[in-house]
Amino acid sequence: QVQLVESGGGVVQPGRSLRLSCAASGFTFSNYALHWVRQAPGKGLEWVAVILYDGSNKYYADSVRGRFTISRDNSKNTLFLQMNSLRAEDTAVYYCARSGIGTGGSLGIWGQGTLVTVSS
Amino acid sequence: AIQMTQSPSSLSASVGDRVTITCRASQGIRNDLAWYQQKPGKAPKLLIYAVSSLPSGVPSRFSGSGSGTDFTLTISSLQPEDFATYFCLQDYDYPWTFGQGTKVEIK
Repeated sequence: QVQLVESGGGVVQPGRSLRLSCAASGFTFSNYALHWVRQAPGKGLEWVAVILYDGSNKYYADSVRGRFTISRDNSKNTLFLQMNSLRAEDTAVYYCARSGIGTGGSLGIWGQGTLVTVSS
Repeated sequence: AIQMTQSPSSLSASVGDRVTITCRASQGIRNDLAWYQQKPGKAPKLLIYAVSSLPSGVPSRFSGSGSGTDFTLTISSLQPEDFATYFCLQDYDYPWTFGQGTKVEIK
């Protein structure tokens, strides 16, 4: 079945880096745009970044632009989020999600999330 | 960035009630508006896309309406499994933005 599985979360000190991965299965990975969305503890959802199907275009939230980099490896059906210069306010559950055909371009498939905690 | 103002932030309702949640965009977003349901500890689930379209498997008691800047999610007869938090999302222009969420609680 269609599935997204995140990994790579954990506890990291402020100013350090972390790389999240999202493994996809059950669909043609290279046909879809992929997103990262995060949710701080007890808070709402925040859209973080998107990478289009072939990796040619990427867009970011203002809060992470210049610190986070989204990328993908279509040969390995994997999405990445490189997070540098982490701050306490980056603490959140990070979800990967798929948009595209069949859901009006919105986020129809989500992973289960991976928790990132930025703390000294 | 487009701001999405969602209201109310929370509401209490009984099983069988009709519930309405609204989202207002700071500028026109055509019909690029989706609604999500989230239960504690779970990933969000797409309820409605393109203002009023329901993905396969979503019950017909959920409906969406609106255009331009003002949008509404309606639950026609609230069921026990509908107690959750609901978010709107504009997917018209990057950066995409969510509403603040509406927590639907049992009265």
